Amino acid sequence: ILNVEQSPQSLHVQEGDSTNFTCSFPSSNFYALHWYRWETAKSPEALFVMTLNGDEKKKGRISATLNTKEGYSYLYIKGSQPEDSATYLCAFWIYNQGGKLIFGQGTELSVKP
Amino acid sequence: EAQVTQNPRYLITVTGKKLTVTCSQNMNHEYMSWYRQDPGLGLRQIYYSMNVEVTDKGDVPEGYKVSRKEKRNFPLILESPSPNQTSLYFCASSLSGGLGTVNSPLHFGNGTRLTVT
Repeated sequence: ILNVEQSPQSLHVQEGDSTNFTCSFPSSNFYALHWYRWETAKSPEALFVMTLNGDEKKKGRISATLNTKEGYSYLYIKGSQPEDSATYLCAFWIYNQGGKLIFGQGTELSVKP
Repeated sequence: EAQVTQNPRYLITVTGKKLTVTCSQNMNHEYMSWYRQDPGLGLRQIYYSMNVEVTDKGDVPEGYKVSRKEKRNFPLILESPSPNQTSLYFCASSLSGGLGTVNSPLHFGNGTRLTVT
């Protein structure tokens, strides 16, 4: 059974803090990794699509890195703002299984003003 | 407006009464998929479709059926719903099928909250 784990499960920070969280996945089955942001009462929205070892992606104050050899990806938020409060999901695409993917359970971020 | 549309948004039904949740996308996407979200379990993939007439099981397909007769529609069918299928359901699509699927981000519908009593 393939397992995708995200840590921490939840995080409470003050406005202006920088933060990061982890997505761990089985390195031997890697095909691609996506990051999504999910605000309460809305639908998940794509942040990054990552496919190559060493990939680094950035969108504003949010960035992500990928290490496929050791099986992890980091998501960083610089200078957190209250509007960054959301659940951040990683989605692991399984090699050689077409469109099959596994989501992590998510990291719930709360940013206090 | 480019979007994935699910209907209904909310549904309360009784055990055993067949139901269909519709999903339609207007972006000419090849890949479509269904997920359920339960507290503490995250999003779990039910079924996916790489293109018309091509469907395959995700992690939790038991109790569900799908069909992909045309590119834009991917309905989720519960032939005999049970209380353990009470959940929040999401449909999603992405541009590429085949080998390009993993390179395209998923676009999600607004969700369907299903309660089976």
